[in-house]
Amino acid sequence: EIVLTQSPGTLSLSPGERATLSCRASQSVSSSSLAWYQQKPGQAPRLLIYGASSRATGIPDRFSGSGSGTDFTLTISRLEPEDFALYYCQHYGTSRFTFGPGTKVDIK
Amino acid sequence: EVQLVESGGVLVQPGGSLRLSCEASGFDLKSYSMNWVRQAPGKGLEWVSYISSTITGSNIYYADSVKGRFTISRDNVNDSLYLQMNSLRAEDTAVYYCARSRPTAYFDCWGQGTLVTVSS
Repeated sequence: EIVLTQSPGTLSLSPGERATLSCRASQSVSSSSLAWYQQKPGQAPRLLIYGASSRATGIPDRFSGSGSGTDFTLTISRLEPEDFALYYCQHYGTSRFTFGPGTKVDIK
Repeated sequence: EVQLVESGGVLVQPGGSLRLSCEASGFDLKSYSMNWVRQAPGKGLEWVSYISSTITGSNIYYADSVKGRFTISRDNVNDSLYLQMNSLRAEDTAVYYCARSRPTAYFDCWGQGTLVTVSS
């Protein structure tokens, strides 16, 4: 069973700064099955990135995903006020889906 | 507009049963795989169950934590997804989301969630 680890647990940054979030898998996974989601308090998650690097419909280009094998990264190039939220990575394996524990991006 | 609307979440006693519903609109439900994902208060996301599209077959999967207690099903005529939950435990307390999944297995559309509380 693949386990996803996200780091850091909390990232404290200011608007306009660059955010780099990490997702590490316990074993090598296919890039096509790695996704990222954003969740704000009281809201459902929203798909940001699929296939490790493809932006979902309507997602601004300040969000980008990269990585392969066991190490994946979500980058927010310049933080906007609405980007302060929780971020989860997710993987699909054999007959199961796995989420990472999340990274909270909060205002410094 | 693609939309998913969950219902059925209530306060239930440990050992009790509950059925959640998810009504889909704006897309052809039978062409998509569907899921239930839950989130305990203040915790992260946990996938619960998957049912494949009617077109691709009848594959159903469950997380180990609910296997044998929960049953996922779909009614393509009424554009609805269901989750029958039996032998409920306190640790099943969570917001339950239905979510549409794509062939490469990411969740591209989510409902707003329905809260299930298991407590005496």
